[in-house]
Order: sequence, then C-alpha cells, then structure tokens
Amino acid sequence: GAVVSQHPSRVICKSGTSVKIECRSLDFQATTMFWYRQFPKKSLMLMATSNEGSKATYEQGVEKDKFLINHASLTLSTLTVTSAHPEDSSFYICSARDRGQGNYGYTFGSGTRLTVV
Amino acid sequence: AQSVTQLGSHVSVSEGALVLLRCNYSSSVPPYLFWYVQYPNQGLQLLLKYTSAATLVKGINGFEAEFKKSETSFHLTKPSAHMSDAAEYFCAVSPQGGGNKLTFGTGTQLKVEL
Repeated sequence: GAVVSQHPSRVICKSGTSVKIECRSLDFQATTMFWYRQFPKKSLMLMATSNEGSKATYEQGVEKDKFLINHASLTLSTLTVTSAHPEDSSFYICSARDRGQGNYGYTFGSGTRLTVV
Repeated sequence: AQSVTQLGSHVSVSEGALVLLRCNYSSSVPPYLFWYVQYPNQGLQLLLKYTSAATLVKGINGFEAEFKKSETSFHLTKPSAHMSDAAEYFCAVSPQGGGNKLTFGTGTQLKVEL
C-alpha cells in the first residue's frame, strides 16, 4: 500500500534556530500534501495544504513566514519551522493524497516530535 | 462547513467486550467519512472509509462502521476488544468530489482492560 515517510521522527533544537521536516511519498505520486499540528491530547489541526509546483495554502491563523512549506516534486514536501520558539514544540504530521485514488487516498506520515529548548 | 463530533473523549472496555466509538457528522450533502487510529507518537493509520458505496464498511483489525444518513452517524464498532486496540481513534470527514481537506473530530481514547 501507499507509504509516506516522515523524517526526522524526533528533533530537539535551540530557540531561534530553524528546523526542516521532510515528508516523502515512497510509492505513489502525491499532488497534494497536508501538514498538521497536534497538541498533546488534542486533535489534528490543519496548518497548510501544499500542491506540487505551487505555493502552499495556509489555514487562518498560521504564519506563512514562520512555517515555510515547499512542495518541489510529486514525492517530496518540506516544512521548515523558522526561528523556532518553545511554543512551537508540538507533534507535526504530514499527509499525502495519492493522485491515483482521488479523494479517497490520504496516507499519513509517522509524525515528528519537535521540542524547542 | 463540514464537521464531525466524537462523543466521549475516553472509552474504557474490557478485553473481549464490544467496542463502540461514536461519530456524528454535520454536512449539507453526504460526505466521505473516515476512521483513523493513532498509537502513541505515531502518525495516523486508516481503519476504514465510507465513500458512498455500501453503508456498512468493513475495515482492518476487525473494525467496521455503518453510515446512517437518518442519524448523521458513522459509529465505529468491533465485536471483541483486544489489548492491542488501545489507542486514540479519530473520525474525519471530507467533501465528496473535488474537496481536499480532511476535518478531524477531537478523538476518542480507547482503553482496554483485562
């Protein structure tokens, strides 16, 4: 089945530095990828939707300059948390939609636990 | 806008007992509905999905869900709980046709006791 690889699984960074998270679809082409943030004991909050070759669409309240998303190919999207602060600490999850499955095929990565110290 | 409501943030069952996790949706047109499971510090795994075909949907690990339009519900069930079923479960909705986004419920933590 469809597999999405998310990397790294855990990262600790210092306040003020930037962190890049990668999301790769391993065996399918993903025209659309989604980035979610999950707070402890909470649901997933959609941050942005990225389409290959175009700018990401951010949800209301999500800072574009803070959370940079790049979707340069049909198999790779990256989320860069710039100038990270402790309040950015969270669990970030990507999801990719399989172009071949239309609106049915959402596959999730295994998540990245970001801790900013 | 579409949304889903999961009743009960925590559900506890005995091993071997019936599992029932509730999900109600709000949508002006029949949507697509999904159930996902999440284990600690992991991503989401699809259990099953309703995409306007059969109303009774069978998924992985013995789970199934029934789409009931009259009740706007899509409850998840499993006849006999196993210890390995302990996890967080999310119901999600997306629009039929060209819509992209999945909207998640707040989740239900399932605890399975001996």
